[in-house]
Amino acid sequence: GAVVSQHPSWVICKSGTSVKIECRSLDFQATTMFWYRQFPKQSLMLMATSNEGSKATYEQGVEKDKFLINHASLTLSTLTVTSAHPEDSSFYICSAWSGMGGTDTQYFGPGTRLTVL
Amino acid sequence: KQEVTQIPAALSVPEGENLVLNCSFTDSAIYNLQWFRQDPGKGLTSLLLIQSSQREQTSGRLNASLDKSSGRSTLYIAASQPGDSATYLCAVKNSGNTPLVFGKGTRLSVIA
Repeated sequence: GAVVSQHPSWVICKSGTSVKIECRSLDFQATTMFWYRQFPKQSLMLMATSNEGSKATYEQGVEKDKFLINHASLTLSTLTVTSAHPEDSSFYICSAWSGMGGTDTQYFGPGTRLTVL
Repeated sequence: KQEVTQIPAALSVPEGENLVLNCSFTDSAIYNLQWFRQDPGKGLTSLLLIQSSQREQTSGRLNASLDKSSGRSTLYIAASQPGDSATYLCAVKNSGNTPLVFGKGTRLSVIA
């Protein structure tokens, strides 16, 4: 299956700093990237949907000024957590989907564990 | 808005037992349904994907069925092993470019 990478796999930062997470589709062009987060013992909750070259669409309750999403190319999307606070500590997972070539599958990255001290 | 429910939330079985995990969804007009496995602290492993036109998919000891009209799917695990212990997530997609919507998962423990 297709491969999606995320970097970093884990990060620890101080409260108030910003953290950037990269998501790359390695062997296909992702027209759409989805960003999810997962709190301990909870399921994956969609944060935002990002189409290449367009502004991201955020789910209700997700602050777009806090979670900046960029999808400037068909193989790279980034999520920047600005002014991170301890309550932002979570597991962030990106997922890539291609509208080209007929693939029906969302491919998931391995996730990034963010801990804010 | 699509909602996905998984029952039971947790399950503990002895090794060798066959078991069934249940998933239900509120909007039956789905594009596909997918079952994932997640180990503690890890990402997702895709197990089976069922297209809306399909009734079931099989992979090894796993069999997933889909009854779209009733909004249900089951994941059958045969001859369970301790290595099957994980959280199993059901997710549905309503159209190609919409995101998968996840259930809360079933946490499975297989006791040796």
